Amino acid sequence: AQSVTQLDSQVPVFEEAPVELRCNYSSSVSVYLFWYVQYPNQGLQLLLKYLSGSTLVKGINGFEAEFNKSQTSFHLRKPSVHISDTAEYFCAVTVDLYSSASKIIFGSGTRLSIRP
Amino acid sequence: EPEVTQTPSHQVTQMGQEVILRCVPISNHLYFYWYRQILGQKVEFLVSFYNNEISEKSEIFDDQFSVERPDGSNFTLKIRSTKLEDSAMYFCASSATGRNQPQHFGDGTRLSIL
Repeated sequence: AQSVTQLDSQVPVFEEAPVELRCNYSSSVSVYLFWYVQYPNQGLQLLLKYLSGSTLVKGINGFEAEFNKSQTSFHLRKPSVHISDTAEYFCAVTVDLYSSASKIIFGSGTRLSIRP
Repeated sequence: EPEVTQTPSHQVTQMGQEVILRCVPISNHLYFYWYRQILGQKVEFLVSFYNNEISEKSEIFDDQFSVERPDGSNFTLKIRSTKLEDSAMYFCASSATGRNQPQHFGDGTRLSIL
């Protein structure tokens, strides 16, 4: 079975400071990795994804994440955050199946709060 | 950019009543999903649907739940006899054909059972 662990439930950061949101996964098979963002009272929006290739992936809003297979991690980073980045961030995996209808397994989320 | 739309945004229902949550997936997508998020907890997979049948369902998706694609555009989740613990945010998602196409989520329906 697959699982996703987000070690920090809340991360407070000052505006324009760098941030890293941590994510570790567990799986006995290959997985694909995602970060989703949920702004207040909104749905889930895809930030970025790792399917294969370069382990450093860039997403929207200046975020990037690095896939580390040996450490089974997929940490999300941004060099300088803005007030508008205040949201809940979810790390997620899908299993590498031949079926296209592959369910997403989510982590418990990290609430990023930006202080002016 | 095309969106997944869900209605209503908030549904309040008496315990024991039936409720239908509606979703309009992105028009050329063929794979459909329901997830739920109980307040303060993680988003959980309920069911996936393709070619007019369920592809996979979680153990949460018991006999009180059903899904349907009644026409070419809507995808519905029915809860037959609601319980207090069904109170949650329910998200619909859809994805295009092909392996590991990203799932696009709607804004969710907040279901409150009284």
